[in-house]
Amino acid sequence: DQQVKQNSPSLSVQEGRISILNCDYTNSMFDYFLWYKKYPAEGPTFLISISSIKDKNEDGRFTVFLNKSAKHLSLHIVPSQPGDSAVYFCAATANNFGNEKLTFGTGTRLTIIP
Amino acid sequence: EAQVTQNPRYLITVTGKKLTVTCSQNMNHEYMSWYRQDPGLGLRQIYYSMNVEVTDKGDVPEGYKVSRKEKRNFPLILESPSPNQTSLYFCASSSRLAGTDTQYFGPGTRLTVL
Repeated sequence: DQQVKQNSPSLSVQEGRISILNCDYTNSMFDYFLWYKKYPAEGPTFLISISSIKDKNEDGRFTVFLNKSAKHLSLHIVPSQPGDSAVYFCAATANNFGNEKLTFGTGTRLTIIP
Repeated sequence: EAQVTQNPRYLITVTGKKLTVTCSQNMNHEYMSWYRQDPGLGLRQIYYSMNVEVTDKGDVPEGYKVSRKEKRNFPLILESPSPNQTSLYFCASSSRLAGTDTQYFGPGTRLTVL
């Protein structure tokens, strides 16, 4: 039972345009969400997070939006750059567990076309 | 440099031959975790540890053992590996006490069980 779903295995975006990566979750206990970025032959690295008390969090070119009623979050990257090409994982946790008990999605491979 | 290290990075073994993948962190983090990454399944947590001598099962613990005798080390033990344990393994560490809400991942260990 996949509690965190990323339905798009891959996405290609022109350099300079907006990249939108989507994530859906089913567990209503989740109240903290994170995005990780992974390059080949490296471990995932933290990108941005959002608490369920917010609906938006912005950090430079990266913005995460949370729609609790729809159990949906999205990551916006604007403008997209070639270095953004990577696999992006959405992750979620319930506050009781903190970030040591993360449930990950299956990942979306983003390719930025120069 | 703050980092999580894993050894070996690559390992090919045969069914039933016990192996250990080591994980070490130099950030004095109290939390450590092991994940496996498989195509179409994303990252799934195997075991995690809240502190020295405190470990708990994640989502896919069958066939694995861990120990946490020292704060910096969290080895993953496969007593009798089987082909379905062929995967990419990541160790991670984190700390709420340090005010961080992210997990730091190691570079990964690619294991093939023949």
